[in-house]
Amino acid sequence: SQQGEEDPQALSIQEGENATMNCSYKTSINNLQWYRQNSGRGLVHLILIRSNEREKHSGRLRVTLDTSKKSSSLLITASRAADTASYFCATDPQGGKLIFGQGTELSVKP
Amino acid sequence: EPEVTQTPSHQVTQMGQEVILRCVPISNHLYFYWYRQILGQKVEFLVSFYNNEISEKSEIFDDQFSVERPDGSNFTLKIRSTKLEDSAMYFCASDYSSATGHFGPGTRLTVT
Repeated sequence: SQQGEEDPQALSIQEGENATMNCSYKTSINNLQWYRQNSGRGLVHLILIRSNEREKHSGRLRVTLDTSKKSSSLLITASRAADTASYFCATDPQGGKLIFGQGTELSVKP
Repeated sequence: EPEVTQTPSHQVTQMGQEVILRCVPISNHLYFYWYRQILGQKVEFLVSFYNNEISEKSEIFDDQFSVERPDGSNFTLKIRSTKLEDSAMYFCASDYSSATGHFGPGTRLTVT
């Protein structure tokens, strides 16, 4: 079964708009994390939300977690061209290894 | 802030050759991981390492792969006889608890 599936697969917006990416998963989790990856580069950890948390903020990022629906969303407010990247959710179902989704490719046009 | 480092950043090797990818985890971390990402695909778990032994490995991590923590600071991934399909970005990660958060910048492995 697939764990950590994001949608949309690709998202194109104008600078200044908000970007929302969603992630769904199948099994129970300890936490869910969001990562960013610029093309061909490393993974940058953005935010971790624990299974007993519902919402978390970090700067222009807002993450929500709904464990009853097994879904999470990442909102980037007031997007900038520099936010252009791929965004992945990753779940930690058993403690330890992370299971990554396919990612959302975000393009922010200036 | 301390970071996970990886060397080399890019390795080109011929099919059938052995490669060793090196990682220096953050110094007080206890859990170590290798992941890989084939171009255009998602990041996949390979292996986790704790207390000087493998704690979990995926189906990808077959007999051609091995990991070692030879000197208490480095953490290596060895591929004994590389195949074309081993071409990927390999990421090392470490953490002091079992919730992975700290990834290295990756080593791009190209097998020709």
